[in-house]
Amino acid sequence: AQKITQTQPGMFVQEKEAVTLDCTYDTSDPSYGLFWYKQPSSGEMIFLIYQGSYDQQNATEGRYSLNFQKARKSANLVISASQLGDSAMYFCAMREAYNAGNMLTFGGGTRLMVKP
Amino acid sequence: DTGVSQDPRHKITKRGQNVTFRCDPISEHNRLYWYRQTLGQGPEFLTYFQNEAQLEKSRLLSDRFSAERPKGSFSTLEIQRTEQGDSAMYLCASSLAGSGRDNEQFFGPGTRLTVL
Repeated sequence: AQKITQTQPGMFVQEKEAVTLDCTYDTSDPSYGLFWYKQPSSGEMIFLIYQGSYDQQNATEGRYSLNFQKARKSANLVISASQLGDSAMYFCAMREAYNAGNMLTFGGGTRLMVKP
Repeated sequence: DTGVSQDPRHKITKRGQNVTFRCDPISEHNRLYWYRQTLGQGPEFLTYFQNEAQLEKSRLLSDRFSAERPKGSFSTLEIQRTEQGDSAMYLCASSLAGSGRDNEQFFGPGTRLTVL
C-alpha cells in the first residue's frame, strides 16, 4: 500500500486565488511528521511546512497552511493568494518515528500551474 | 552559499561506465541522505549517514551502488556498470539530528544522470 498518496497529478489556479493540494497518508506509527516540499523546474526541493502528529493546531507558514485531519489521515496544503512563482511540483512526505534515521517517504507529487 | 551543494549538476554517460557524484552538506549537519527521483515520481530514499557511519540502505540500492562519507562531512555516491534504468535525479539532503525543527532535511540541487 502507498504510504503517501497525492491524487491530483496536476492543478490549475488563477493568480491571487487560494488552492488546496491533497495528501493522504498511511501509517500505524502514533508518532510521525508530515512535510510539504516545493520543487521548481530547477530541481531543488524547498521545504514549505511541517506538521507533527501530536501538534494540536494546524501549521502555518506565511501563505502556506496545512489542513491536518488526523482521523482521516489527510494533510492537505493550502496556498493562499497564489503567485506566478508558485508554479512548481509539490510533494507531500512523511517521517515515521520508528524510522530512526528520519528518512522521508514521498508521494507522487502534484504539478501546480498558476494562471495570470 | 551555506546550503547543500552537489557536483556535477548533470552527467551523461554510456551504459556500463562508472560514475561518481559528490554531496557537500550544510557544515554542521551530522546526517546526510541520498534519494533518487525518476521522471514524474517523488524522491525515493536510498541511504543515509550519521556522521561517517552508513546506518541504513534501501533495497533500491543494488550492489552496483556504493556510498561513502569518510570524514563525516562530504559524501560520494558511486554507481558501477551503469544501466539505462539508473537514469534519474540523485538528490542529497542533510539535517541536524536533535534540532528543534524535527530533523528538517535541506536538499541540494541534485545531479541529473542520463545513461545512454
